[in-house]
Amino acid sequence: AQSVTQLGSHVSVSEGALVLLRCNYSSSVPPYLFWYVQYPNQGLQLLLKYTSAATLVKGINGFEAEFKKSETSFHLTKPSAHMSDAAEYFCAVSGNTPLVFGKGTRLSVIA
Amino acid sequence: KAGVTQTPRYLIKTRGQQVTLSCSPISGHRSVSWYQQTPGQGLQFLFEYFSETQRNKGNFPGRFSGRQFSNSRSEMNVSTLELGDSALYLCASNLGSQYNTEAFFGQGTRLTVV
Repeated sequence: AQSVTQLGSHVSVSEGALVLLRCNYSSSVPPYLFWYVQYPNQGLQLLLKYTSAATLVKGINGFEAEFKKSETSFHLTKPSAHMSDAAEYFCAVSGNTPLVFGKGTRLSVIA
Repeated sequence: KAGVTQTPRYLIKTRGQQVTLSCSPISGHRSVSWYQQTPGQGLQFLFEYFSETQRNKGNFPGRFSGRQFSNSRSEMNVSTLELGDSALYLCASNLGSQYNTEAFFGQGTRLTVV
């Protein structure tokens, strides 16, 4: 069985500040991990994915995430927030089944 | 290339009715998954089809069903609609048979049951 826990349903940061969105996973098989972003009234767009290659994964729009097996974590970071980053972010895990999503974290960026 | 297309985008139905939602995957993609998104429950997996066969199924009642055609297009059907079925229904297509590749999502169908 696989599951994802995203800590914090809502995170608020100032423009230019560090963005840190937390994700912990549980998986009975080697996991594949993903971060998706959703803008209002839109589908989900892939930010980045981990599929057992490099543990530090770089994605689009300046986001990156680090896979830490010992901590079962896959936190998403961005050094400097932009107003356009305001959206909902979903962490997801798969292995031998389709994607299992966390509850999501809404990111607000304050000017 | 064209993305995942879901139709219709918005739908209003009455309790007790049934509804059919359609999803056209990216050309060449053989896997189609369906998800229900609600504010309270988040994104929940409904079912997945690969080459016209249901390969995985989530924990939803039998009122929720789906199918996939030979051209990989998929439909999901919800019978005897309940107020709680109001949600955004998302379809995702995937190129291959493995789960380590990117799933591409459509914009969703927003279903409102009144």
